[in-house]
Amino acid sequence: KAGVTQTPRYLIKTRGQQVTLSCSPISGHRSVSWYQQTPGQGLQFLFEYFSETQRNKGNFPGRFSGRQFSNSRSEMNVSTLELGDSALYLCASSIGTGGEETQYFGPGTRLLVL
Amino acid sequence: KNEVEQSPQNLTAQEGEFITINCSYSVGISALHWLQQHPGGGIVSLFMLSSGKKKHGRLIATINIQEKHSSLHITASHPRDSAVYICAVRWASGNQFYFGTGTSLTVIP
Repeated sequence: KAGVTQTPRYLIKTRGQQVTLSCSPISGHRSVSWYQQTPGQGLQFLFEYFSETQRNKGNFPGRFSGRQFSNSRSEMNVSTLELGDSALYLCASSIGTGGEETQYFGPGTRLLVL
Repeated sequence: KNEVEQSPQNLTAQEGEFITINCSYSVGISALHWLQQHPGGGIVSLFMLSSGKKKHGRLIATINIQEKHSSLHITASHPRDSAVYICAVRWASGNQFYFGTGTSLTVIP
């Protein structure tokens, strides 16, 4: 079974631009979660989608949004990029949304905002 | 204040040593996960615990729900165990994940 894939792997943007990141979960997984990792804040939860519905959202501004498609693929969008948005963005998939589900992480998209 | 506290932050061990990493959290959880992150970013989920103890190879994870504490043990440590180990908890209410700051482990041959 193929693992979680994320595209692109690396991205350079300038302040004020917007960016869309993509995540394809493991086949059969219906839950996709997004995380941001920075050296200063560590890993932080962005949001979780299950069956095209956002189930949970972390404490991030409205510039961060996401969606999930009927095939469980998910995208996250960051509008009006700020320097502080430079981070590794990880997505993880699981079969369901129960707290006891093992999450499988993708390799991440490394975003640099200049 | 971070809801999830890990200790130690950094750990250097000689190959073969027994290693313990600790995680404490402040509120009721539905599950606790131990994650391993190698240089380059890739994260692997090692264990998911809601009670008791789990073992996989040289890795053992335990959780004490009453004391809100979990430990990750590595027996007979090896240089390939060098990585950052992260504790993540899922709150019983709200279902969000909160992460510890990670423990950076270096195992010297």
